[in-house]
Amino acid sequence: NAGVTQTPKFRVLKTGQSMTLLCAQDMNHEYMYWYRQDPGMGLRLIHYSVGEGTTAKGEVPDGYNVSRLKKQNFLLGLESAAPSQTSVYFCASRNPPGGKTTEAFFGQGTRLTVV
Amino acid sequence: DAKTTQPNSMESNEEEPVHLPCNHSTISGTDYIHWYRQLPSQGPEYVIHGLTSNVNNRMASLAIAEDRKSSTLILHRATLRDAAVYYCILLPNFGNEKLTFGTGTRLTIIP
Repeated sequence: NAGVTQTPKFRVLKTGQSMTLLCAQDMNHEYMYWYRQDPGMGLRLIHYSVGEGTTAKGEVPDGYNVSRLKKQNFLLGLESAAPSQTSVYFCASRNPPGGKTTEAFFGQGTRLTVV
Repeated sequence: DAKTTQPNSMESNEEEPVHLPCNHSTISGTDYIHWYRQLPSQGPEYVIHGLTSNVNNRMASLAIAEDRKSSTLILHRATLRDAAVYYCILLPNFGNEKLTFGTGTRLTIIP
């Protein structure tokens, strides 16, 4: 059981380049989330999705776009990368509240450096 | 949204119990109390959650105050591998799909 898998694990981008981070979960979870974590700081929610075809803004959505075309995948896009987007990105998934299990499962992170 | 307050950091000796406090004075009746931890260079992982009664699992125990305005995560015998940032968050049983984290408590284990 793979859980939540993030691709890639590391990436270096030049300012202005674009890229897409992929999050895949195999637990049939409805909810998925993207976070960024700067050094020594807590997790900040970028965007989230409550189901296939739906997305919503989190606390720090500017400069990012997301898509949830398939239930198991949640993509995070950077259209024009900036050095301020250098961070570690985490994806998470969980079931909706009210069910048997509602704990969130996290990926291992993607370390992104923008130079 | 109901907020939680945790100390920024705590230290504990190895092989001793650790009590990590969390205040949530504005908790609503349908909010579950969840604890997660983040080991160095890893993604957060679920530890335990509860609603009203104390809860135990293989990782830890969760003690919830009678008025639910505070809770304590208990690690019964801390090891060096328990050094992490511990997050206490509130998740309602319905609505509010967001999952947001505060700054948590950084736990240092002294050998």
